[in-house]
Amino acid sequence: SQQGEEDPQALSIQEGENATMNCSYKTSINNLQWYRQNSGRGLVHLILIRSNEREKHSGRLRVTLDTSKKSSSLLITASRAADTASYFCATDDGGAQKLVFGQGTRLTINP
Amino acid sequence: AAGVIQSPRHLIKEKRETATLKCYPIPRHDTVYWYQQGPGQDPQFLISFYEKMQSDKGSIPDRFSAQQFSDYHSELNMSSLELGDSALYFCASSLGLKSSYEQYFGPGTRLTVT
Repeated sequence: SQQGEEDPQALSIQEGENATMNCSYKTSINNLQWYRQNSGRGLVHLILIRSNEREKHSGRLRVTLDTSKKSSSLLITASRAADTASYFCATDDGGAQKLVFGQGTRLTINP
Repeated sequence: AAGVIQSPRHLIKEKRETATLKCYPIPRHDTVYWYQQGPGQDPQFLISFYEKMQSDKGSIPDRFSAQQFSDYHSELNMSSLELGDSALYFCASSLGLKSSYEQYFGPGTRLTVT
């Protein structure tokens, strides 16, 4: 990955549990976004957090951003089988329009 | 709501052939981005266009070219295809150039080079 690492690379939990994924990046950013990708399919935009925000919520999703540590986390609460997918963080790489993606976390929710 | 449309969804080509991928952005979106995602890899930025002009360029091989047309749709032309070009190719669109604008991705074109 050009930007950084996602941790863990794979996560398997039971339905109903919470899932936490972490992302680190290298450059300064204006915003950070999280995307979901079902196997071999398109990228679905989940949430965008700006560099001056520390936390953001959307439904069962909670994203935090720590610009001093250049890291972000995505928390999915009360997981469902349908949440099984790969999750990528993406940054704007210092204000450029292009997105730079992390390596992704493959999340499996076991029923 | 209308989404980004990509065609074809699947494409099989032989080595040294050419391929053309098409992208139709969300209505009113004026910026288009192309990304390449190899098997098990994260998406890598190739090139972007704003108002029909190239706005940024990433790790796009010289064998590839792209353009954005007056109706804002974009085409990615790939020549002298190699086995390593087999990947999922995404197009994304956004409204404006500012990085704070969310990029909306199409379903992708899966290119297989044999």
